[in-house]
Amino acid sequence: AQSVTQLDSQVPVFEEAPVELRCNYSSSVSVYLFWYVQYPNQGLQLLLKYLSGSTLVKGINGFEAEFNKSQTSFHLRKPSVHISDTAEYFCAVSERNNAGNMLTFGGGTRLMVKP
Amino acid sequence: DTGVSQDPRHKITKRGQNVTFRCDPISEHNRLYWYRQTLGQGPEFLTYFQNEAQLEKSRLLSDRFSAERPKGSFSTLEIQRTEQGDSAMYLCASSFGFGYTFGSGTRLTVV
Repeated sequence: AQSVTQLDSQVPVFEEAPVELRCNYSSSVSVYLFWYVQYPNQGLQLLLKYLSGSTLVKGINGFEAEFNKSQTSFHLRKPSVHISDTAEYFCAVSERNNAGNMLTFGGGTRLMVKP
Repeated sequence: DTGVSQDPRHKITKRGQNVTFRCDPISEHNRLYWYRQTLGQGPEFLTYFQNEAQLEKSRLLSDRFSAERPKGSFSTLEIQRTEQGDSAMYLCASSFGFGYTFGSGTRLTVV
């Protein structure tokens, strides 16, 4: 069975600073990888996904992530954050042999952008 | 708005009561998923449908939980004899391929 670890439960950062949210996964088979954002009292919105091809994936709102197979990581980065990026971020995996594409989520990282 | 709709947004119920939630997916999406999210945690998979067929259920889905998707359109999730441990956000998502679209969720509080 697969698992996802988000190493930081909270990440405080000043506005316009760069940020990296870390995600490591464990799986016995190849996986697809996803990052979602959740604003208070809302559902999850897809930021980006890695299915195949280039290991550097660009998403919405200026976010990008890099798939590192040897380190089983998929860290999320943004070069300059805004106050509006304050939210909960979830990393998720889906095993490639999973016909239903069910997702396994990490515990989340709360990004707190300070002025 | 053609997103995923969930109703109600909030539900407070007494322990032992039955509750039912509804999810209306995006009409072109053939898959529908239910996830549960407790406070401070990531969502956990409960069950999914492809069209009207329920293809997989998590071990989290005890026999007090039942989900249906008649005619492959909207879905309902029923919890019988609610317990305080059922308090959570219940999220519905639909997809066609890898593009999940989540609803805003139903927050259940069992008192």
